[in-house]
Amino acid sequence: DGGITQSPKYLFRKEGQNVTLSCEQNLNHDAMYWYRQDPGQGLRLIYYSQIVNDFQKGDIAEGYSVSREKKESFPLTVTSAQKNPTAFYLCASSKTSSSDEQFFGPGTRLTVL
Amino acid sequence: DAKTTQPNSMESNEEEPVHLPCNHSTISGTDYIHWYRQLPSQGPEYVIHGLTSNVNNRMASLAIAEDRKSSTLILHRATLRDAAVYYCTTYAGGTSYGKLTFGQGTILTVHP
Repeated sequence: DGGITQSPKYLFRKEGQNVTLSCEQNLNHDAMYWYRQDPGQGLRLIYYSQIVNDFQKGDIAEGYSVSREKKESFPLTVTSAQKNPTAFYLCASSKTSSSDEQFFGPGTRLTVL
Repeated sequence: DAKTTQPNSMESNEEEPVHLPCNHSTISGTDYIHWYRQLPSQGPEYVIHGLTSNVNNRMASLAIAEDRKSSTLILHRATLRDAAVYYCTTYAGGTSYGKLTFGQGTILTVHP
């Protein structure tokens, strides 16, 4: 089945540690995205990538980093510089970056202790 | 990026139509209007999108105002499985293409 996988579903880290969230898609989509969602809030864009080896900052990129070395993979690193990293993180992809619908993964809930 | 405004919550009875409104008064001419819905602790699911004309698909209909400053998502016959948070978003065209701008969403409750 085609889709987006995110792992792990739940992640716990100590304060001050960097952590990398995985996102893989087998939909052959060019564009990939990372969003953050806080309780009771909408999604906010962290980073997005329209093609391999290229990515742009979204609205809340500070404290995060990404890479796009392969078309199917777009990992997100939450660094110790992110002040409030506890949140629900969602990865998405789309065919192109025009009007196409975005397909979302199941999300990773990160808790920093 | 165009901001969207939706009611915090709405209620409906099963089998009845539901009209979910959205205001996006600052939308630009190249921005698409997308709707997604989300169940608790899951990723959002695409519902429908449009630019200027009204749109229909198997899930819903989208009615877009002539001035494009508002739109309405129409669920023709609500079911219990339609209970979710519905997000009206704008999808930036032009040089910012690919960016979805999410608002707070509308929590839809469907009563049996």
